[in-house]
Amino acid sequence: QKEVEQNSGPLSVPEGAIASLNCTYSDRGSQSFFWYRQYSGKSPELIMFIYSNGDKEDGRFTAQLNKASQYVSLLIRDSQPSDSATYLCAVKVFTSYDKVIFGPGTSLSVIP
Amino acid sequence: GAVVSQHPSWVICKSGTSVKIECRSLDFQATTMFWYRQFPKQSLMLMATSNEGSKATYEQGVEKDKFLINHASLTLSTLTVTSAHPEDSSFYICSARKRGPTNEQFFGPGTRLTVL
Repeated sequence: QKEVEQNSGPLSVPEGAIASLNCTYSDRGSQSFFWYRQYSGKSPELIMFIYSNGDKEDGRFTAQLNKASQYVSLLIRDSQPSDSATYLCAVKVFTSYDKVIFGPGTSLSVIP
Repeated sequence: GAVVSQHPSWVICKSGTSVKIECRSLDFQATTMFWYRQFPKQSLMLMATSNEGSKATYEQGVEKDKFLINHASLTLSTLTVTSAHPEDSSFYICSARKRGPTNEQFFGPGTRLTVL
C-alpha cells in the first residue's frame, strides 16, 4: 500500500512568520510531488510541484524535496491570514498505471 | 490557465435515484481524468481513473456498477452514482491531467451530493 503521511495539525503560526509543512511518502520510486491548498468547502488548487532534489521557490512558497529521506516539505514565508487552509501533499505513484495519491492534509491557521 | 468545470455544483436527491455529474476541461485536452470523493474532515480518496475512449480503472473497494464513469472525449468525463443512498452523500471532485511533461492535475470545483 503506497502511502503519503502528513501531520494533521492544526498548525498555528502568527502573521508574518514562516509556516513549515511536512510530508513523507512510502513509494521510493515516486518522481513527482505536488502541494495543493484547499479552503473549506472548496476543491484543491495546485500551489507547487517539484521533481528534483533540493528547493524550488515560487514567491512566498518554497518546496523542498529529499528523495533519499522520502520527504517533501512546503515553507510559506510571511504567512498571511489568507493562507489559512488545509495543505495537501500529493505524490505520483506507479502501479499498473500512474496515479496521484493524497496525504490527509495539514490544517494551517495564521493568526493575525 | 487550465480550467476544469463540474456540473452541477450541488445536488440533492432521493434515495434510490441516480445522479450524473459532468466534468469538463475547458481550455485543454485531458488525456486522463480522475474522480475523487471527500468526506468531511477527510482527505481526497481516489475512486477511479479514466482515459479517453477506454474503460475506467477503479480503486479497490469502489463498486464500478454503482459509480459509472464515461470518458467520451478529451474534454468530458461523467460520473453517474446509481441507486444513490445516504451513505453516498459526499463531495465529489474531478481532476484532469494536462497533456505535457509536468503531468499536473487540475481540479474542478466539486459537486456536493446529498442523498435524502
